[in-house]
Amino acid sequence: QKEVEQDPGPLSVPEGAIVSLNCTYSNSAFQYFMWYRQYSRKGPELLMYTYSSGNKEDGRFTAQVDKSSKYISLFIRDSQPSDSATYLCAMRFTGGGNKLTFGTGTQLKVEL
Amino acid sequence: ETGVTQSPTHLIKTRGQQVTLRCSSQSGHNTVSWYQQALGQGPQFIFQYYREEENGRGNFPPRFSGLQFPNYSSELNVNALELDDSALYLCASSTLRGQRAKMGTQYFGPGTRLTVL
Repeated sequence: QKEVEQDPGPLSVPEGAIVSLNCTYSNSAFQYFMWYRQYSRKGPELLMYTYSSGNKEDGRFTAQVDKSSKYISLFIRDSQPSDSATYLCAMRFTGGGNKLTFGTGTQLKVEL
Repeated sequence: ETGVTQSPTHLIKTRGQQVTLRCSSQSGHNTVSWYQQALGQGPQFIFQYYREEENGRGNFPPRFSGLQFPNYSSELNVNALELDDSALYLCASSTLRGQRAKMGTQYFGPGTRLTVL
């Protein structure tokens, strides 16, 4: 079993839809949670960064962490075709030298 | 753009050969991590360098090795290439203070796509 599980999709939604992306994890020692966006043939780009449980909002993006359920989510409001990309969740322990453990990524396509 | 640069962009090698990939970290960052991303998978941690020394390693064999230079740039070397080494190799820079993470936020370069034939 992988430490971080993420549905690979693909997920196809119409423009303007609310998108929900999720990851589950098995190691309760993870404390820092991140969402990266990766366009085809590009490096991952940091979207959201949260510590421990709670919500964080940045523009159209909201990240939620539920440590009791070992479940994290990323919501995208008013989705745009430019949001079409692969979304990777990542997490790490406190300390641990910044090693990130990633999910497999969810491929999202926002259609006109 | 993150300010992290990698070279070359693409590389084709044959089995058994050796390869060196290069990374320049973002200004102000002192730590470089390397990740391997196979097609359709998330990045897998290879190792990290801080103050020119290896500071953590993932589940990769010794034929994966690295260096960090005084200007914080880094190299990833892979010996005796295998077909399964074909992947996107990502470099990420970040900041550590001492041996404890200050932020943990890593900024990725565009990657080097390695194909092993």
